[in-house]
Amino acid sequence: DIQLTQSPSFLSASVGDRVTITCRASQGINYYLAWYQQKAGKVPMLLIYASSTLQSGVPSRFSGSGSGTDFTLTISNLQPEDVATYYCQKYDSAPLNFGPGTKVDIK
Amino acid sequence: QVQLVQSGAEVKKPGASVRVSCKASGYTFTGDDINWVRQATGQGLEWMGWMNPSSGNIGYAQKLYGRFSLTRNTSINTAYMDLSSLTAEDTAVYYCARGVGYGLNWGQGTLVTVSS
Repeated sequence: DIQLTQSPSFLSASVGDRVTITCRASQGINYYLAWYQQKAGKVPMLLIYASSTLQSGVPSRFSGSGSGTDFTLTISNLQPEDVATYYCQKYDSAPLNFGPGTKVDIK
Repeated sequence: QVQLVQSGAEVKKPGASVRVSCKASGYTFTGDDINWVRQATGQGLEWMGWMNPSSGNIGYAQKLYGRFSLTRNTSINTAYMDLSSLTAEDTAVYYCARGVGYGLNWGQGTLVTVSS
């Protein structure tokens, strides 16, 4: 099975900062990668699919890039409402594994 | 609007089975897959399996082999997840999610607690 790793596992940044989260697949998955945001006690929400396509309604400060094995989620101009855990997920083929998550906090 | 409404919380004893339902509305039920994901308290998301409601085809995580079943009733736009031989490690919030691969829309989650 293809495994996903995320780095860092935790980050703390200031409002207005640009933050980047990395997701790495153990084998190539083309562009079949999605990113989710999960706020404490809430249901996960789709942010990005196909590596870089922003889901409708998601603020444009979120962006994704990458293909193959290396992917990034960038939040430009970090806002207080962005405090959450972020997960990547591969969906090229089963099993549709998730990464372990990156917790983002505000300094 | 698209909604996935799941059944209520369950408390089960070890060794028992549980069924969680997921009723879809606001889109063509047979047009997208239904994925099942679970999350233990304080832990990450774990993909469990998927079903194509049109064909009935399924795929699932190997670790659940033999204990996990996905079915659907297209006449009432509802998908079902059955998990048997429950242990404390199955205590989690269970989610259904609509989408081909990625989870476009999610149910509200169903807490399943396994405790003696």
